[in-house]
Amino acid sequence: DTGVSQNPRHKITKRGQNVTFRCDPISEHNRLYWYRQTLGQGPEFLTYFQNEAQLEKSRLLSDRFSAERPKGSFSTLEIQRTEQGDSAMYLCASSLGPGNEQFFGPGTRLTVL
Amino acid sequence: SQQGEEDPQALSIQEGENATMNCSYKTSINNLQWYRQNSGRGLVHLILIRSNEREKHSGRLRVTLDTSKKSSSLLITASRAADTASYFCATDLNTDKLIFGTGTRLQVFP
Repeated sequence: DTGVSQNPRHKITKRGQNVTFRCDPISEHNRLYWYRQTLGQGPEFLTYFQNEAQLEKSRLLSDRFSAERPKGSFSTLEIQRTEQGDSAMYLCASSLGPGNEQFFGPGTRLTVL
Repeated sequence: SQQGEEDPQALSIQEGENATMNCSYKTSINNLQWYRQNSGRGLVHLILIRSNEREKHSGRLRVTLDTSKKSSSLLITASRAADTASYFCATDLNTDKLIFGTGTRLQVFP
């Protein structure tokens, strides 16, 4: 499978715990994006990378959120001190570059108890 | 805030019928992309249409774009039960960040 992959697919955690998600983009894609989707809503942009450089972060990304793409390949999204409001589907996408199709992974569903 | 708004919010049709979904947006765009999402799953990319294009086809899908009216439509012809899903439009305001609408939930009855 050469599409975008995300791990884990599901994560249940207790409030206050830290969680980390991983995204592996399509191999030749140098842009990688993170979005968050809550029930009944469309995805909302969180942040994106050009290779290893983080280009922009949304206001939605509080200080408890950090994303990295250390070698310009896979990316991780970490949420520290999780809150119940963090419960959502976290989606990763990749593209060849600006203005091109963004292809999404299956998402990681986070439930914070 | 959501830039795009899909209409209708929900649509129920019989297999074989055509389904039309509309998307309106507020500001000038670089491109507009349509996605399908089955319940609880990731988004599947359907079509990208650029601001200088007016119509694109892909199989049973037809997308139009009217930049003067700031609107787009997605037509699915000869629908199948497997087309049951939520459909989202997403606009790129030349920032490479996609802004999604709230989606149209399509139900196709066999």
